[in-house]
Amino acid sequence: KAGVTQTPRYLIKTRGQQVTLSCSPISGHRSVSWYQQTPGQGLQFLFEYFSETQRNKGNFPGRFSGRQFSNSRSEMNVSTLELGDSALYLCASSRGALNEKLFFGSGTQLSVL
Amino acid sequence: GQNIDQPTEMTATEGAIVQINCTYQTSGFNGLFWYQQHAGEAPTFLSYNVLDGLEEKGRFSSFLSRSKGYSYLLLKELQMKDSASYLCAVRRTQAGTALIFGKGTTLSVSS
Repeated sequence: KAGVTQTPRYLIKTRGQQVTLSCSPISGHRSVSWYQQTPGQGLQFLFEYFSETQRNKGNFPGRFSGRQFSNSRSEMNVSTLELGDSALYLCASSRGALNEKLFFGSGTQLSVL
Repeated sequence: GQNIDQPTEMTATEGAIVQINCTYQTSGFNGLFWYQQHAGEAPTFLSYNVLDGLEEKGRFSSFLSRSKGYSYLLLKELQMKDSASYLCAVRRTQAGTALIFGKGTTLSVSS
């Protein structure tokens, strides 16, 4: 069974640009969530999608958005990039039940110059 | 606010036992998770506690006290490959599957 797949693995962008990251969950998983990981703040929750609907959202500005498709694949978009957006963006999937563990992808390392 | 505290760094030697503590203050509680993350890799699941007590899984055990807002991860018979970051995370009620993570404890195991 394939794991959670994130593309691309690395991205370099400049301030003001926008970026789209992609995540393919484990087959059969309907919940996809996104996290930002930085050395200073650790892992911080961005949002969760379940059956194409946003189920929960963290405390990030509106520049961060996401969506989920009918095949459960998800994309995350960041507009008007800032230097502080440089981070590892991790996607996690599960079947969606509240007592289930999350399976994480290897992440997309975003550098904003 | 939500707060999860764990030590930043710990060191230990091969074959030893180490205990990584985690304290939390969150609005609502629906389970506590421990994840292991090697440098440059994805976090991987270690354990889940939702009721008070000890959960044992091989060399790893995790304990939870909900009344104290406290958990620990116990690693026995340490191996070099256990050198990694250990992440404590809480799932709150009414929050889907979202996890609030502590900043992680970097464990270094030496020979």
